[in-house]
Amino acid sequence: SAVISQKPSRDICQRGTSLTIQCQVDSQVTMMFWYRQQPGQSLTLIATANQGSEATYESGFVIDKFPISRPNLTFSTLTVSNMSPEDSSIYLCSVTLAHPTQYFGPGTRLTVL
Amino acid sequence: DAKTTQPNSMESNEEEPVHLPCNHSTISGTDYIHWYRQLPSQGPEYVIHGLTSNVNNRMASLAIAEDRKSSTLILHRATLRDAAVYYCILRDVALTQFYFGTGTSLTVIP
Repeated sequence: SAVISQKPSRDICQRGTSLTIQCQVDSQVTMMFWYRQQPGQSLTLIATANQGSEATYESGFVIDKFPISRPNLTFSTLTVSNMSPEDSSIYLCSVTLAHPTQYFGPGTRLTVL
Repeated sequence: DAKTTQPNSMESNEEEPVHLPCNHSTISGTDYIHWYRQLPSQGPEYVIHGLTSNVNNRMASLAIAEDRKSSTLILHRATLRDAAVYYCILRDVALTQFYFGTGTSLTVIP
């Protein structure tokens, strides 16, 4: 199994600012995934982040709004840029360690005022 | 991605079996059926997965219809800790991404 931690666990931000969310895994993994879960909704995949290459974004998500870094095999960051209240969500990272099981972090609860 | 249909919510009495249905009439031959659950204030966790045959693990059983157009997640004895949203997800064997549907919110009544 994989143990995933995220920082911060929650934050309250002002509109127009940016927040960087960190995801740390206790094992080396090739692929990491970022999801968004809006209040009362299911999870939506934002992007897939492979180490050493550009992240692949899903339809409706763009790099300018959600830049992702993947500097090594155990770490990734997701930045939510120029935030608006509509960005208030839980952001989760996940990894695939032993296909096909996917492990999820505890999430970062973001509130934008 | 092939679509899944699940009831929005279900209730079960504690210590009774729970059968959570999932319809996936457009499933392809290379789609695996996965079940994840999300406990309150946590990230989703793996429950079980299968392709054609029924599967059992320590957490649950997965019953897959012969035509694979539907499946049922079976919790043999529901506990209060099983209260969660249960997601049925189809994923092609060649892919690594999971695309979540709306899921079933399970309430367990003491």
